Amino acid sequence: DILMTQSPDSLAVSLGERASINCKSSQSVLSSSNNKNYLAWYQHKPGQPPNLLLYWASTRESGVPDRFSGSGSGTDFTLTISSLQAEDVAVYYCQQYFSTPYTFGQGTTLEIK
Amino acid sequence: EVQILESGGGLVQPGGSLRLSCAASGFSFSSYAMTWVRQAPGKGLEWVSHISGPGGTTHYAGAVKGRFTISRDNSKNTLFLQMNSLRAEDTAVYFCAKDRIVGGYGYMDVWGKGTTVTVSS
Repeated sequence: DILMTQSPDSLAVSLGERASINCKSSQSVLSSSNNKNYLAWYQHKPGQPPNLLLYWASTRESGVPDRFSGSGSGTDFTLTISSLQAEDVAVYYCQQYFSTPYTFGQGTTLEIK
Repeated sequence: EVQILESGGGLVQPGGSLRLSCAASGFSFSSYAMTWVRQAPGKGLEWVSHISGPGGTTHYAGAVKGRFTISRDNSKNTLFLQMNSLRAEDTAVYFCAKDRIVGGYGYMDVWGKGTTVTVSS
């Protein structure tokens, strides 16, 4: 199984500041056949279902604000929120879909400082 | 509008069984792979199981393999999760989610609100 490890476990950022969350996979999720990274990011708020933010590591889902961006390749990835808004308080998860089981990271809790 | 609604959760004793259902609407159900994800109290998301659109290909997390069975009835736009030999550690909110694209890669764009399973004596 591919182990996904996020860092930090929790993060407090001031409104308007940049927030970065890291995700590391125990093996590469980059496909040599299509040169795509099989990595997604989700936002999860209490009492709501998770919300897909990004897939293929950096492709933003329709309707997701452009302050959310993804980067990285192979085994190391980053979710960046360029200017934190109050509504971004949530738990964020990375997920690999390179090979089953399609594992999630343990989650990163993002709060306002 | 795409909608997903889980049902079938409840309280069950250790060793017991439960069958979860997920009713889908607003999209061509049989064209999309579907996934079950769970969240134990105070814990993160855990991927549980995945099934292809036609239903012929299934995958499971190690923690549930041999105890859980995913299936679907495309004529009724419904996904199922049969859970046997339940353990306390299976206590969680179970989410049903739709793969984003036809053919499926395993990332999900529409999720239900979840159904709660509690395994306790």
